[in-house]
Amino acid sequence: EIVLTQSPGTLSLSPGERATLSCRASQSVSSTYLAWYQQKPGQAPRLLIYGASSRATGIPDRFSGSGSGTDFTLTISRLEPEDFAVYYCQQFGSSPPIFTFGPGTKVDIK
Amino acid sequence: QVQLVQSGSELKKPGASVKVSCKASGYTFTTYPLNWVRQAPGQGLEWMGLINTNTGNPTYAQGFTGRFVFSLDTSVSTAYLQISSLKAEDTAVYFCARGDYYAGNYYFGYWGQGTLVTVSS
Repeated sequence: EIVLTQSPGTLSLSPGERATLSCRASQSVSSTYLAWYQQKPGQAPRLLIYGASSRATGIPDRFSGSGSGTDFTLTISRLEPEDFAVYYCQQFGSSPPIFTFGPGTKVDIK
Repeated sequence: QVQLVQSGSELKKPGASVKVSCKASGYTFTTYPLNWVRQAPGQGLEWMGLINTNTGNPTYAQGFTGRFVFSLDTSVSTAYLQISSLKAEDTAVYFCARGDYYAGNYYFGYWGQGTLVTVSS
């Protein structure tokens, strides 16, 4: 089973700063099966990025995803007040079908 | 528009059962699988498994076999999660999420609002 590790656990930044979040897999992951989600307190997660680098509908272009193999990155170019939240990466393995989430990175206000 | 609407919060005693519903609208229900995700208080997201809404065939993640049952009523575009013999550690928010497959990519494009299940004597 593939294990996802996210770092850092918490990222303390100010609005306007750049956020770089890491997601590492214990073995190679197909880029098409790597997604990122944002979750705010009391809300359901929201899809941000799928296929490692494609933004979901309605997601601002300050969010970008990159990476391949075992190392993936979510970048928020300039933090807006509404971006302070927890971010999860997720991967899909097809045989048997299994989804795995990373433990999350909390982006909070410095 | 696509919506997944879940049933309301539940307070149950240990040993009881609970059934959470997830009603879909805005798309053909049997086209996409429905996933279930658990989030314990203050914790991360944990995939519980999925149900093929076309065949009704469930797939359970490790740790979610035995007491957890996924089912469907396609006549009302609704998926269900039943948990039996509830334990305090089942206290969590349970989400349903649609499994979207597009251009070779697979992700959860739409989520229900979540259902809080509290198990307490």
